[in-house]
Amino acid sequence: EVQLVESGGGLIQPGGSLRLSCAASGITVSSNYMSWVRQAPGKGLEWVSVIYSNGNTYYADSVKGRFTISRDNLKNTLFLQMSSLRAEDTAVYYCARRQSSNWGLDYWGQGTLVTVSS
Amino acid sequence: QSALTQPPSASGSPGQSVTIACTGTSSDVGGYNYVSWYQQHPGKAPKLMIYEVSKRPSGVPDRFSGSKSGNTASLTVSGLQAEDEADYYCSSYAGSNNFVFGTGTKVTVL
Repeated sequence: EVQLVESGGGLIQPGGSLRLSCAASGITVSSNYMSWVRQAPGKGLEWVSVIYSNGNTYYADSVKGRFTISRDNLKNTLFLQMSSLRAEDTAVYYCARRQSSNWGLDYWGQGTLVTVSS
Repeated sequence: QSALTQPPSASGSPGQSVTIACTGTSSDVGGYNYVSWYQQHPGKAPKLMIYEVSKRPSGVPDRFSGSKSGNTASLTVSGLQAEDEADYYCSSYAGSNNFVFGTGTKVTVL
């Protein structure tokens, strides 16, 4: 059974930094295409970033230069390092596995809430 | 990376069908057969219902079907059931390793 468990969310002041983690079981993070998706309170889904099995990374324009996706192969864990946080980054952040042959996100974590506020 | 356009709401009675449209451009929906649909119940993570326009993952009932014409994709839920009441989001590959979601549609079972 595949499980993705996010952690690291919380209350952070504008301009601050936070690192989210996504611990995986049942799949190997380094062999898969892993994504972060966020959802602001009461709003829709927004794709944030993806890391491919070859290590290539891509970001939405809204977070480019501020967020960094990475992984720890030994810990089988995906990360999202977020810096220069803004109020508009407030959201539930989900990690998800992207199918390699298409852009379907077939396994999702339960999400972790990030609140950017002073 | 503008969000794909979906109607805010749709509804139907049990047993009826409801169709949700997802309108994009030739740079996303119209340009690739990488349209997916997700179901999200309140407080829960999204669930993949359709990928590559019309393919269903294992375990998704065949009451859910997808199609595409030009820059518009559609999700049809046939034989509506109470548990189908949820938010539905489309998504599409948008080129250059970008990915975009739709604005979301709340489906109500009357």
